[in-house]
Amino acid sequence: QQQVKQSPQSLIVQKGGISIINCAYENTAFDYFPWYQQFPGKGPALLIAIRPDVSEKKEGRFTISFNKSAKQFSLHIMDSQPGDSATYFCAASKASGSRLTFGEGTQLTVNP
Amino acid sequence: DSGVTQTPKHLITATGQRVTLRCSPRSGDLSVYWYQQSLDQGLQFLIQYYNGEERAKGNILERFSAQQFPDLHSELNLSSLELGDSALYFCASSVGVAGAMGNTIYFGEGSWLTVV
Repeated sequence: QQQVKQSPQSLIVQKGGISIINCAYENTAFDYFPWYQQFPGKGPALLIAIRPDVSEKKEGRFTISFNKSAKQFSLHIMDSQPGDSATYFCAASKASGSRLTFGEGTQLTVNP
Repeated sequence: DSGVTQTPKHLITATGQRVTLRCSPRSGDLSVYWYQQSLDQGLQFLIQYYNGEERAKGNILERFSAQQFPDLHSELNLSSLELGDSALYFCASSVGVAGAMGNTIYFGEGSWLTVV
């Protein structure tokens, strides 16, 4: 049972543009929502994470927006750079350190 | 470098065979997780160990088993391998206590398994 749905599957953005990736979850017991970035040949690496008690969290060019009532959250990458080209996964768990349920992934390409 | 070490990086084996994947967690991390990544199934949680004890189980096949040893390293054993088991297997680790501050899950670089 897929509990975290992610869209789009792929995304192409021009350098300097904004990349937006969306996720929706079903399980209301989820309490921790991280985003992971994966480069080819590497493992996923934590990018940024949020808990449902805040609606937005920003770290540098990366922002998570969280809508608890809609059970949706999104990743915004401002001023996208070619070095941001990677696969991005949203995830959810019942607490940090608990098993992660991942979305399907979004392959982001930032053209120079 | 996440600090999680996995061996081997690549493995090619025949159907019906058995393989063992090894993982050394980050220094100080007590929890180890195993995930399977395939094109059609994405990143799937298999199993979690905490300080030697099984903590959570996901969609792990009965042909697969894992354990965490006293030195905290972990092994994932895959037996009676089928073509569909070909995938990237990730080990991850964290401090371990769910909900604790800074309890980030760190992933290794994975073990590529190809079953022919």
